[in-house]
Amino acid sequence: DVKVTQSSRYLVKRTGEKVFLECVQDMDHENMFWYRQDPGLGLRLIYFSYDVKMKEKGDIPEGYSVSREKKERFSLILESASTNQTSMYLCASKRMGQGHQPQHFGDGTRLSIL
Amino acid sequence: AQKITQTQPGMFVQEKEAVTLDCTYDTSDPSYGLFWYKQPSSGEMIFLIYQGSYDQQNATEGRYSLNFQKARKSANLVISASQLGDSAMYFCAMREGSISSGSARQLTFGSGTQLTVLP
Repeated sequence: DVKVTQSSRYLVKRTGEKVFLECVQDMDHENMFWYRQDPGLGLRLIYFSYDVKMKEKGDIPEGYSVSREKKERFSLILESASTNQTSMYLCASKRMGQGHQPQHFGDGTRLSIL
Repeated sequence: AQKITQTQPGMFVQEKEAVTLDCTYDTSDPSYGLFWYKQPSSGEMIFLIYQGSYDQQNATEGRYSLNFQKARKSANLVISASQLGDSAMYFCAMREGSISSGSARQLTFGSGTQLTVLP
């Protein structure tokens, strides 16, 4: 079974802090994704990565950056956290080129910015 | 325009009854795929079922089936014989583009439907 692990289930930070959310997958997947989930809005894509050191902006990249130095790890960075970034963050991965296969998700990180 | 629309924010169903969760989509790409995920209150996203745009038959997976009406651009999820454990948020999502593409092919999600199964 694919395992996608997010470093924290719950995280509380202060405005202005630099925040790192870590995601690790164990299935050698090329593609990795970061979403945020807000009530009534579903999941919205922040950034995704085709492969190591490759990244693409999603629908809502403002205020975020990402890092993919190793294939198994995809990090989401909040450069200067703000209260409107309080949300549930979900990481996902999938093998490249198999569009009929689902993305596999981690358990999510509930981030609160005070 | 919304690419994925789920018009039912909340639904109730009696245990052992069937329930249909609605999903309509908007795309001009002839090749696409539709996914349904379940998210219990614990937060993890669980993949349920997939339908490709060129699939001739409606997808089925145990108690889950997909009522795929291509001309109407709808892909409704049918859950038969509902169980208390089916209470969760359900998301419809779409991938546009060929399944053999080398690109990441991101998913676009709807806003979800909160299903509550009553005993």
